[in-house]
This record gives sequence, structure tokens and C-alpha cells, in this order.
Amino acid sequence: NAGVTQTPKFQVLKTGQSMTLQCAQDMNHEYMSWYRQDPGMGLRLIHYSVGAGITDQGEVPNGYNVSRSTTEDFPLRLLSAAPSQTSVYFCASSYADRGLLNTEAFFGQGTRLTVV
Amino acid sequence: GQQVMQIPQYQHVQEGEDFTTYCNSSTTLSNIQWYKQRPGGHPVFLIQLVKSGEVKKQKRLTFQFGEAKKNSSLHITATQTTDVGTYFCAGPRRGSTLGRLYFGRGTQLTVWP
Repeated sequence: NAGVTQTPKFQVLKTGQSMTLQCAQDMNHEYMSWYRQDPGMGLRLIHYSVGAGITDQGEVPNGYNVSRSTTEDFPLRLLSAAPSQTSVYFCASSYADRGLLNTEAFFGQGTRLTVV
Repeated sequence: GQQVMQIPQYQHVQEGEDFTTYCNSSTTLSNIQWYKQRPGGHPVFLIQLVKSGEVKKQKRLTFQFGEAKKNSSLHITATQTTDVGTYFCAGPRRGSTLGRLYFGRGTQLTVWP
């Protein structure tokens, strides 16, 4: 079982470059999210999706775009990389159980991004 | 800003000592989840609490959800070196969009042998 797969695992970008972080899940989960993790800041929600074709902003969306054309994939695009976007990025997926608002989130292995 | 506050940020204990981390929300949570992240790893789900006043145990770990559903705690009895990592609480705000979780900043636990 692959679960949530993120690529690449490591990336170095120059300021101003653009790139896409890939995230795919094979569990048929409705919900997918992107988080960034910085020291002492915990996990901050960038964007999330409640299903194919539906996305919304989280706490720190500026500088990032997402799309959800399929249930499986939820790529995160950095439009013009800045040093402040140096971070570890995690993708997560979950489903809604009837009677509960959320179920456990499954996380990918993370992408360690450095912007120089 | 952060919807869920977690304390302490760091905790250093000697192996065998107990450990507790606390999670407080400014609003009522419909449920709360706890995750553990090992150094260099990704968050892994531990448990979910749903009911007011709920207490759940997993071996040496005890999880509690407050009566008002605004706070929660994780207590580890007799810590071991395998408990090292960062523990996060996470919850959706009552009435918030499904699938949208707010994470605390985490408590980083170090265990000295």
C-alpha cells in the first residue's frame, strides 16, 4: 500500500523559480491538504481540498496555488519561490466518516525545500 | 493565527519519568486528534477523541478530552527512549469546513537514557 506519495523528497530552488510539488494518494480519500512545517511553528495549513474540483485557502496560502483535477492528485505550485518558502512541506489525505467530521489524516514523507 | 495552543513547546525528561502535553482551543472542538512525529519523519496518527470528558489509553499513553471540548492532554507514563519525537494535537473548529484541521505547534519530547 503506497498511501500518500510526495515527490520530490528534496529540492533546492533559486529565488524566482517556479516548481510543483507532487502529491498522490491511492486510498480514494475525499480530503487532501498541504501543510508547511517550520521550526517552532507546527504544521500550518496552506491549501486544502474537499474533493475533485474544489479547493480553498488555509492559513498561509500566499505564494502557492493548488488544483484538484482528480481524487488522487493534489499538486502544490510555487509561483515564484522566495527564501521565506524554505520549509518542509507535507501533503495529507483523509476521509469523512458518517457521524464524525474528520478521520485520521495520512501524511506523505514530506518534501524538504530550500530556496536560495 | 493558531487556533489550537499547545504547551509546553519543549520537554526534556529522564527515561522513566512521566510526560504530559496540553492542548487548548479558543473555540469548541467537535473532536481532537493526536499525532506523533519522529525526528526526520512525518506525523503519524495516534488517536481521536470525540466525546466530552472522554479518556482513552494506549499502553503507557493516556489521552483526555475536556468536558467543554476546548482542551485535551496526552500523558505518557514512564517514558522510554522510543517516545522521543514531537507530539501534535489537531482539531477542526466547530462548524468549520470538513477536512480542515488546525494543528498545535507541538511539544518536542527528549528522553535521556
